[in-house]
Amino acid sequence: GAVVSQHPSWVICKSGTSVKIECRSLDFQATTMFWYRQFPKQSLMLMATSNEGSKATYEQGVEKDKFLINHASLTLSTLTVTSAHPEDSSFYICSARASGRAPETQYFGPGTRLLVL
Amino acid sequence: GNSVTQMEGPVTLSEEAFLTINCTYTATGYPSLFWYVQYPGEGLQLLLKATKADDKGSNKGFEATYRKETTSFHLEKGSVQVSDSAVYFCALRSSGNTPLVFGKGTRLSVIA
Repeated sequence: GAVVSQHPSWVICKSGTSVKIECRSLDFQATTMFWYRQFPKQSLMLMATSNEGSKATYEQGVEKDKFLINHASLTLSTLTVTSAHPEDSSFYICSARASGRAPETQYFGPGTRLLVL
Repeated sequence: GNSVTQMEGPVTLSEEAFLTINCTYTATGYPSLFWYVQYPGEGLQLLLKATKADDKGSNKGFEATYRKETTSFHLEKGSVQVSDSAVYFCALRSSGNTPLVFGKGTRLSVIA
């Protein structure tokens, strides 16, 4: 099946620094990518949807200047957490969907755990 | 708004035991319903789905029936294996290309 990778799988950083998380579709071209966030014992919350070559659409309550999303190519999207603070500590999951595929053919990465000290 | 509620884990079962993970939903209209599974170190994978009332989704011995009258989509398997140990997420999509709405996930551990 289709594979989506994320890098890094976990990261620890100091408060105030920025962290970049990469999401790659390894064997298909992803015209649409999604970024989710999951708190412990909570459900996955959609943060934003990005289409290749255009600006991301952020969900209500998600700060676009805080969480910068770039979908510059059909196989790569990045999420940058700017000036990270401890409350940004969470599990971030990306997902990708190929052009023309049914909505449920959405492939998920293994997630990136971020801990901000 | 739309929401999914699933039973809290963790659930620990012996091999060959019967599994039920409850899932109920709140949604307007007629959503499509899904179960995703996340094995350790991997991304979420679609396990099964149902798109209309009374549909039964099935895959790898797992089944779930779309029950509109009880707004439920409970996941069942008659005989679990150690390899079924994973986190299971119930999800819905209200229509078309709207985003998936997930439950909190239920961790299943199967012991030999």
